Amino acid sequence: GESVGLHLPTLSVQEGDNSIINCAYSNSASDYFIWYKQESGKGPQFIIDIRSNMDKRQGQRVTVLLNKTVKHLSLQIAATQPGDSAVYFCAEKGAGSYQLTFGKGTKLSVIP
Amino acid sequence: EAGVVQSPRYKIIEKKQPVAFWCNPISGHNTLYWYRQNLGQGPELLIRYENEEAVDDSQLPKDRFSAERLKGVDSTLKIQPAELGDSAVYLCASSLGALAGDTQYFGPGTRLTVL
Repeated sequence: GESVGLHLPTLSVQEGDNSIINCAYSNSASDYFIWYKQESGKGPQFIIDIRSNMDKRQGQRVTVLLNKTVKHLSLQIAATQPGDSAVYFCAEKGAGSYQLTFGKGTKLSVIP
Repeated sequence: EAGVVQSPRYKIIEKKQPVAFWCNPISGHNTLYWYRQNLGQGPELLIRYENEEAVDDSQLPKDRFSAERLKGVDSTLKIQPAELGDSAVYLCASSLGALAGDTQYFGPGTRLTVL
């Protein structure tokens, strides 16, 4: 049967506020990072990526920050909208590796 | 442009029965991945294809799982026999290549329930 007892970290934000979703990664050799958004019943959807030679990258309403010193990645969503409600996953790829490793997701709930 | 297509979207079977999932990647994408996603967790890679060659199947439980991509386009993932613990969402993804920066695009997945 399905796994039980798994608790996703949840972030609740008011519509219009900014959201910050955090991710800690473990492999110091990782050189490429991606944020995915997964809505209920759908596959993960690419949001934004960043390489290890950068510490910040901006997209439309989203910004990814990378702190390699403490192995921390964050996703900032500006002016959060109800359509942003989903589970967000960070993923990393090690240098020379083809494998993408996903972190534990964070559920974002936007309060109208 | 069509995304990654998977079928069926849902499958309910009894344990010990066989099941197969089908995936059609984005046109022109040479690399195809099968992932398993358990409830509340991120996807975990099962197998990766470069064209028709399975180049990484180290995490595929080979006693009951098999996959093929005969012509380097569509792919099928099979489980025989299914066990209760196989209940999960099976995701297919594709990318142009497997290098950093080659974005993986995911299909909607097949939700498998084993009773």
